[in-house]
Amino acid sequence: DADVTQTPRNRITKTGKRIMLECSQTKGHDRMYWYRQDPGLGLRLIYYSFDVKDINKGEISDGYSVSRQAQAKFSLSLESAIPNQTALYFCATSEGQGGVTDTQYFGPGTRLTVL
Amino acid sequence: AQTVTQSQPEMSVQEAETVTLSCTYDTSESNYYLFWYKQPPSRQMILVIRQEAYKQQNATENRFSVNFQKAAKSFSLKISDSQLGDTAMYFCAFMILFNTDKLIFGTGTRLQVFP
Repeated sequence: DADVTQTPRNRITKTGKRIMLECSQTKGHDRMYWYRQDPGLGLRLIYYSFDVKDINKGEISDGYSVSRQAQAKFSLSLESAIPNQTALYFCATSEGQGGVTDTQYFGPGTRLTVL
Repeated sequence: AQTVTQSQPEMSVQEAETVTLSCTYDTSESNYYLFWYKQPPSRQMILVIRQEAYKQQNATENRFSVNFQKAAKSFSLKISDSQLGDTAMYFCAFMILFNTDKLIFGTGTRLQVFP
């Protein structure tokens, strides 16, 4: 079984709809992240969480919100989807040791299309 | 600004040959990790190799090795004995320690391995 799972894998929605992307991990990591990938670009950080009570904005958080329901679950919401949020979304996890983040491991990605 | 530059948008190599992918980065920080991630057509982001900036010895993982030149801020990836399964996008990334733990990605190099 995969260590980091994302649901759904693909989603098509309409402008103005609320969408939730879910991420679950069995690695026991404290730290979780949401990234966005656009064609021709690398990944950019949307939000990150160091534990259940610690959530932080990344570089492109506008239009997104997150919820850390448990150590193993981190959800990303688009409150009112717009076409330029069409992208590939990745969840990642890492183990923080002594305050230092270790390698980040990625889920399989969710391809979101907003019409 | 902290940036990663991958100057080769596309490369190709024949099976069993060796190929080197280039990466340069810009940061004023001294404590960071460097990574190469592979993204095959399945779109999964897979860690290839990691280098701690404080280590002088170049990291190696089987057929994959890096040439880390800290003063030049260069971090190239060498793939030996290329295999068809190495066909993928390759992303260079770095992470500043004791900071936001954000991975900063380059724009990627598309590698095609030919039979």
